[in-house]
Amino acid sequence: GAGVSQSPRYKVAKRGQDVALRCDPISGHVSLFWYQQALGQGPEFLTYFQNEAQLDKSGLPSDRFFAERPEGSVSTLKIQRTQQEDSAVYLCASSSGALDTQYFGPGTRLTVL
Amino acid sequence: TQLLEQSPQFLSIQEGENLTVYCNSSSVFSSLQWYRQEPGEGPVLLVTVVTGGEVKKLKRLTFQFGDARKDSSLHITAAQPGDTGLYLCAGEGGTSYGKLTFGQGTILTVHP
Repeated sequence: GAGVSQSPRYKVAKRGQDVALRCDPISGHVSLFWYQQALGQGPEFLTYFQNEAQLDKSGLPSDRFFAERPEGSVSTLKIQRTQQEDSAVYLCASSSGALDTQYFGPGTRLTVL
Repeated sequence: TQLLEQSPQFLSIQEGENLTVYCNSSSVFSSLQWYRQEPGEGPVLLVTVVTGGEVKKLKRLTFQFGDARKDSSLHITAAQPGDTGLYLCAGEGGTSYGKLTFGQGTILTVHP
């Protein structure tokens, strides 16, 4: 595909369930970012990968959040024991290199009941 | 911690009016970017400003970066209903890989 894709687009989870959100970056893009966007707010940084290496995870809200990119392409953001405050849109962005333009996917809207 | 204060949070205007959105910080950024986000979609980059005092124009949109690289503004001339959307400013600085700090966003509604 030409752009960043994310799946699922919508996810409803019961409180306490685990969820996994997938990001397919633009082919060949080295850098991959995850952001969290609460309703009516701007995105907030969660974590950054350069190829398969997670170089910055300072934005992850708690140890219930875990991200991986094992082969330096597809990335998965996993949230364990979801809570209501985890409800948000999770955006993935990729760029061809450090400091290059970030291209965002459409996001996954997570609703925790 | 770098923070960006964006104002106003909401803007509702009539077609043909002009408007300005502001983005302010106490921190210096290497660059500042403006995005537009439609419902159900990710942010799409409009422009990047890098040099203090820089002014960029994109049709009816004018973007300015403050001399000290701490603030920026977006001015729209003769707004149209198609300009309706969420406008976000984002600063990049302090990392070697482009981590972005976003403002809270401005929801713009242009009424026909």
